[in-house]
Amino acid sequence: QKEVEQDPGPLSVPEGAIVSLNCTYSNSAFQYFMWYRQYSRKGPELLMYTYSSGNKEDGRFTAQVDKSSKYISLFIRDSQPSDSATYLCAMTDNYGQNFVFGPGTRLSVLP
Amino acid sequence: NAGVTQTPKFQVLKTGQSMTLQCAQDMNHNSMYWYRQDPGMGLRLIYYSASEGTTDKGEVPNGYNVSRLNKREFSLRLESAAPSQTSVYFCASSEVTSGRVEEETQYFGPGTRLLVL
Repeated sequence: QKEVEQDPGPLSVPEGAIVSLNCTYSNSAFQYFMWYRQYSRKGPELLMYTYSSGNKEDGRFTAQVDKSSKYISLFIRDSQPSDSATYLCAMTDNYGQNFVFGPGTRLSVLP
Repeated sequence: NAGVTQTPKFQVLKTGQSMTLQCAQDMNHNSMYWYRQDPGMGLRLIYYSASEGTTDKGEVPNGYNVSRLNKREFSLRLESAAPSQTSVYFCASSEVTSGRVEEETQYFGPGTRLLVL
């Protein structure tokens, strides 16, 4: 079993839709959870991070962590064509070691 | 600020050839990283350097060597390239490896696409 699993997609949605992206993980030591966005032929850029369980909102983006289920989510409201990218989840433990990325979900938002 | 820069952008090698991938950052970050990204595998850490003068192995270090030349530069060397090393290589940097995620935010370069025939 991989340490972090993520549906690779591709996920296609119409403009304005609510998008839900998810990751599951197996290591209960993970405490910090991050979402990166990667446009085609570019490096990943940090979108959001959360610590432990709970929700965090930033504009159209909401990150959610459920440590009891080892499940994290990223919601995108009012999705735009400019949101079309690959979204990578990442996580690490309290000591910043064992920084692990998920394989990424490719999202297409159709105008 | 250019952020993290990588050269070359694209390279084709024959099996057994050697090459060095260059990375530089102008953000005065202490920590630098080399990842490879393969379809369906996500980003896998090859080596990292927590500070100038130190390097440590990541998840997939075999076949690679690194040099932290100074605070700005971190190079990745393939001594004898193999087709299994065909990948996209990303360099990243962050301020520290403290476990505090706001300091650990990693900034990525644009990547080097390597094809080994």
